[in-house]
Amino acid sequence: NAGVTQTPKFQVLKTGQSMTLQCAQDMNHNSMYWYRQDPGMGLRLIYYSASEGTTDKGEVPNGYNVSRLNKREFSLRLESAAPSQTSVYFCASRTNHNSGNTIYFGEGSWLTVV
Amino acid sequence: AQTVTQSQPEMSVQEAETVTLSCTYDTSESDYYLFWYKQPPSRQMILVIRQEAYKQQNATENRFSVNFQKAAKSFSLKISDSQLGDAAMYFCAYRSLEYGNKLVFGAGTILRVKS
Repeated sequence: NAGVTQTPKFQVLKTGQSMTLQCAQDMNHNSMYWYRQDPGMGLRLIYYSASEGTTDKGEVPNGYNVSRLNKREFSLRLESAAPSQTSVYFCASRTNHNSGNTIYFGEGSWLTVV
Repeated sequence: AQTVTQSQPEMSVQEAETVTLSCTYDTSESDYYLFWYKQPPSRQMILVIRQEAYKQQNATENRFSVNFQKAAKSFSLKISDSQLGDAAMYFCAYRSLEYGNKLVFGAGTILRVKS
């Protein structure tokens, strides 16, 4: 059972470099999310996508871009990484049915910007 | 914008005792969902309990129950007969029904269980 798969799991970047975090789900879910988790600040929503072809900003979108390539995939791009973007990033998905209250999270991607 | 506030960064409870975790939220919507999630050190997010805003009855799942006060925008989690396995980070979360299923989390409360 793959569920939500994120890559890479660990990455070290230099300030100014760019990179893309990949996320894919195999559960035919409509909604997908990107969060970052920092000590003392919990999970903060970066971007979300309610369906294929749509994306919306969350609480902390600055410095990030996203692409909902198809129903399965939702990528997060850092165009010019900054030390403030050092964090653990989580991708999540859920069905849009009202009964879809279970949110499936990926295992997280540990990103360090030096 | 919807916001979720957890005012207790850390809580401790003795094994077999009861503990209550607080959560308040801000929204202008009339219908929405509220959740409590548990995150153990493995970082996995586990759904503990959910509450539909249109339901007046408080949700209950075994040892876990909520006190949902819609007018006060308060959603606390009560854990009865606490067990060592309950030790984790607990997140309160809000899901909008109007804004594309936007899902917002609070900052979390670390729960420590003493034996």
